[in-house]
Amino acid sequence: GAVVSQHPSWVICKSGTSVKIECRSLDFQATTMFWYRQFPKQSLMLMATSNEGSKATYEQGVEKDKFLINHASLTLSTLTVTSAHPEDSSFYICSASRQTGTPTDTQYFGPGTRLTVL
Amino acid sequence: AQSVAQPEDQVNVAEGNPLTVKCTYSVSGNPYLFWYVQYPNRGLQFLLKYITGDNLVKGSYGFEAEFNKSQTSFHLKKPSALVSDSALYFCAVRALTSGGSYIPTFGRGTSLIVHP
Repeated sequence: GAVVSQHPSWVICKSGTSVKIECRSLDFQATTMFWYRQFPKQSLMLMATSNEGSKATYEQGVEKDKFLINHASLTLSTLTVTSAHPEDSSFYICSASRQTGTPTDTQYFGPGTRLTVL
Repeated sequence: AQSVAQPEDQVNVAEGNPLTVKCTYSVSGNPYLFWYVQYPNRGLQFLLKYITGDNLVKGSYGFEAEFNKSQTSFHLKKPSALVSDSALYFCAVRALTSGGSYIPTFGRGTSLIVHP
């Protein structure tokens, strides 16, 4: 149990276009979802936290208008990279938790999406 | 601000030997500590967590970790390494921030290489 999927697994797009990444919890209801960026040989950088039905909370330095997050249901969250540029190329990973705001709940991670912007 | 340090970028160990992947943390308050493993081009998989209670925590695939409050460490260990354990390991901490939330903070990761 506790499987999280992401789609697409990889995407290549032209500069200036928008890309949507989906994160789904397949066998549980995810009250909270997290979105991360991971650079080569570096740690995961938390971008934002989203709770179902409410606006996402963005970390400092993350542009809200550039990285649009929607968490419309308990099983789906989407990240849209608007007007993508080459510097947005990265590995994007989502994770999901059953509970909200509980520090001890386990995060279940998706397999990640490799975004390459030409 | 909370932080996690994994002082070794890479750990090399022979198959069958014990392994240790180090992690130290800095938080203001009680820490909730986690270990995850990441295989190439895959997401992170949960290994184990420390919440409270026994300092020695046992997790998946024979891994265990010991919480040491005085040394602010949470090292990952396994008595006998397998080649299939070769992967990237992340330590993470969640603690109450000044903003009142429990944001997860990850270390930079340690690449474990187990040689046959």
